[in-house]
Amino acid sequence: DIQVTQSPSSLSASVGDRVTITCRASQSIRNYLAWYQQKPGKAPKLLIYAASSLQSGVPSRFSGSGSGTDFSLTISSLQPEDYATYYCQQTYSKPCSFGQGTKVEIK
Amino acid sequence: EVQLLESGGGLVQPGGSLRLSCEASGFLFSSFDMSWVRQAPGKGLEWVSGVSATGRSTYYADSVKGRFTTSRDNSKKTFTVQMDSLRADDTAFYYCAKEGRAAPNSFDYWGQGILVTVSS
Repeated sequence: DIQVTQSPSSLSASVGDRVTITCRASQSIRNYLAWYQQKPGKAPKLLIYAASSLQSGVPSRFSGSGSGTDFSLTISSLQPEDYATYYCQQTYSKPCSFGQGTKVEIK
Repeated sequence: EVQLLESGGGLVQPGGSLRLSCEASGFLFSSFDMSWVRQAPGKGLEWVSGVSATGRSTYYADSVKGRFTTSRDNSKKTFTVQMDSLRADDTAFYYCAKEGRAAPNSFDYWGQGILVTVSS
């Protein structure tokens, strides 16, 4: 099974900051990676699929990059509504494993 | 509007059984693979099981293989998981999730989640 390791587990940032979260797969998954945002008490929301494609309705300040084993999610200018937990997920094969999550907190 | 509505959660004793259902609307249900994803309270996401659009293929995480059975009824637009031999570590919110059109195994719509508590 493919493992995905996400870092950092948490970070503190201010409104307007550029934030980057990374995800590493245990083997090459080409571009088969998705990113989700989850707020407390809510279901996850798909942000990025196929490593860099923005899901419909997601603000353009979110972007994804990478291929093979190393990937990143960047928020270009953090907004108050972006404080949440973010998960990566390898979509290359089932079981389609998730990273451990990164909690983005207010600095 | 796509909607996924889970039902069937609750409290069950260790070793017991529970059946979760997901009722889908707002999209062509028979065209999309579906999955269950769970989240223990305060923990991360764990993919649990999935079923192909036709229902012919099913997939399971090692943690539930042999204990959970996933199925679907395309005529009723429902997706279910029968959970047997439940353990305390199965306690979690269970989400029904629809696979995205543009990328397999990514989930573009999720239900609101339903809590399963395994405790004596």
